[in-house]
Amino acid sequence: AQKITQTQPGMFVQEKEAVTLDCTYDTSDPSYGLFWYKQPSSGEMIFLIYQGSYDQQNATEGRYSLNFQKARKSANLVISASQLGDSAMYFCAMREGGGADGLTFGKGTHLIIQP
Amino acid sequence: GAVVSQHPSWVICKSGTSVKIECRSLDFQATTMFWYRQFPKQSLMLMATSNEGSKATYEQGVEKDKFLINHASLTLSTLTVTSAHPEDSSFYICSAREYPSVLNSGGNEQFFGPGTRLTVL
Repeated sequence: AQKITQTQPGMFVQEKEAVTLDCTYDTSDPSYGLFWYKQPSSGEMIFLIYQGSYDQQNATEGRYSLNFQKARKSANLVISASQLGDSAMYFCAMREGGGADGLTFGKGTHLIIQP
Repeated sequence: GAVVSQHPSWVICKSGTSVKIECRSLDFQATTMFWYRQFPKQSLMLMATSNEGSKATYEQGVEKDKFLINHASLTLSTLTVTSAHPEDSSFYICSAREYPSVLNSGGNEQFFGPGTRLTVL
């Protein structure tokens, strides 16, 4: 079974609109971390936001917020007021355990912002 | 802070040759480094985890004799693709982690290098 599921292979969004990228995860470990990364065509991985499994509040970083619904095992990324520069691949990832492990990535969502 | 470099950024080689990729943490000590592989239009897949001074741990399905990893210091890990073949052509990305972390990075734990694009002819 996939540990990270991103169900939206591609999305087209109008500039300045908000966009939600879906991510569900599967783990039996009570301690885990959830991450979102942006990958432009250059290939670099740009960290956007982090949510720990014990965090009580949803994480926010500027225009990015993470809608964390623990019971549903959901960690959707919300981008407010989208910009043309937001066009890229977006990956949801999970780290299981206390922190020394590598990340498991979802298949990604290709987001295209239209003017 | 928390910059990770990779060298080379791209490489083209003939089938059967070996290629070495370096991953360096420039301004912090990386107790752990990770190597990922990304095929075109696919996701990143963890290949192996290396801790300074010890043998790397490989993920299931990754040939340790083909992908040699050396983490000789707290700032350098190398991945050598031995006897490369066209099916090894991929984007290889490393990440470095300082653990426990003293870096104030908003929850970011792994700092990624810019990647190395390998093409085997």
